[in-house]
Amino acid sequence: AQKITQTQPGMFVQEKEAVTLDCTYDTSDPSYGLFWYKQPSSGEMIFLIYQGSYDQQNATEGRYSLNFQKARKSANLVISASQLGDSAMYFCAMRGTLNQAGTALIFGKGTTLSVSS
Amino acid sequence: DGGITQSPKYLFRKEGQNVTLSCEQNLNHDAMYWYRQDPGQGLRLIYYSQIVNDFQKGDIAEGYSVSREKKESFPLTVTSAQKNPTAFYLCASSRDRRGNQPQHFGDGTRLSIL
Repeated sequence: AQKITQTQPGMFVQEKEAVTLDCTYDTSDPSYGLFWYKQPSSGEMIFLIYQGSYDQQNATEGRYSLNFQKARKSANLVISASQLGDSAMYFCAMRGTLNQAGTALIFGKGTTLSVSS
Repeated sequence: DGGITQSPKYLFRKEGQNVTLSCEQNLNHDAMYWYRQDPGQGLRLIYYSQIVNDFQKGDIAEGYSVSREKKESFPLTVTSAQKNPTAFYLCASSRDRRGNQPQHFGDGTRLSIL
């Protein structure tokens, strides 16, 4: 069965520092996609970054980058130069394979990031 | 602006009552999804729909029902059979039915039992 594991319930970082949020996954499907979402206290889910299993390079989007290590089945999110507004819950998710025609996302339990000044 | 609208933002259910959560999107996306989030937890899939007039059960479909009569709309009914409905419900849609595009989420509905 496919599974996402986020082992850090909470992380604390000072403003302007970099932080890495861990994510490991398990799948037997050779084709898969990995997503990171941010959920502020207001509840909406904000898409941050995507990595496909066949992508040759690690994904980057502004201050977000993904440290993708396929052999280790890890897809850690790196946030550079943290800002107070980065304080939120962060979810790693994987495209599941529910049937041939479509998929949904399988989510980890999340990591709460707290940024202090 | 295109997006997903969920209503109401807060909903209260009495014992034995069915309630319906609305989800509307104007993104012209084919696929739509309903997730449930319990406090401090990740999201779990309730139902999904890849195309109009078709939908499939997710991991926790018991006690819920959906319909997909229009591309833009994917309402979720929480029936009286769902014994623990208190949760945060999120609706999502995606353009790519194969799942390579990110899912866009609504702002959610918080459901509580009276």
